[in-house]
Amino acid sequence: QSALTQPASVSGSPGQSITISCTGTSSDIGTYNFVSWFQQHPGKAPKLLVYDVNYRPSGVSNRFSGSKSGNMASLTISGLQAEDEADYYCNSFTTANTHVFGGGTRLTVL
Amino acid sequence: VQLVETGGGLVQPGGSLRLSCVASGFTLSDYWMHWVRQAPGQGLVWVSRINEDGIVSNYADSVKGRFTISRDNAKNTVYLQINSLRAGDTAMYYCVRDLRDYNYWGQGTLVTVSS
Repeated sequence: QSALTQPASVSGSPGQSITISCTGTSSDIGTYNFVSWFQQHPGKAPKLLVYDVNYRPSGVSNRFSGSKSGNMASLTISGLQAEDEADYYCNSFTTANTHVFGGGTRLTVL
Repeated sequence: VQLVETGGGLVQPGGSLRLSCVASGFTLSDYWMHWVRQAPGQGLVWVSRINEDGIVSNYADSVKGRFTISRDNAKNTVYLQINSLRAGDTAMYYCVRDLRDYNYWGQGTLVTVSS
């Protein structure tokens, strides 16, 4: 049950778009479309942004979008805003009937 | 919707704790429930899950054999029994409803393992 692989950090300027990758294996992302993305601000509980690869819960901005290709999932944030500065985590269901998170990506808005 | 975790605290290595998660504002028996932990300054780690009626449970390899998840739907409560605590178990423990479209997180309870 190795953690999914995410870049440690990404950055972008306000208004730009950034993409965070999440690389798994054929035992998780490659088999299931049960990939979720979470945003966490310091000292706060995580918040769901995307589930089932590319579905947004009600209330989440359409600036957040998800996708998947093979063993890799991605989260794209368009029109970066200062409030987007946070940690982002991907999560997938696995063939062992468990879940696994990515190591997390720190987004800095320049 | 509310999830309130309790039971955390300072415990010596080798000790045990039982974390509780009281749910309100929704029907607990309709959902899978999870525990997720986060060590200080570190990332999220999935720990365990239990199905709607408590029959099925799964665990991360790192906690299998030491942690036990359970639930009492009549009491609207999910539990995590943690035994043989180690320094590496020091973390905020979050109770989480579903990890998909019905996701909701509690505010967490802090477990500190230290002598």
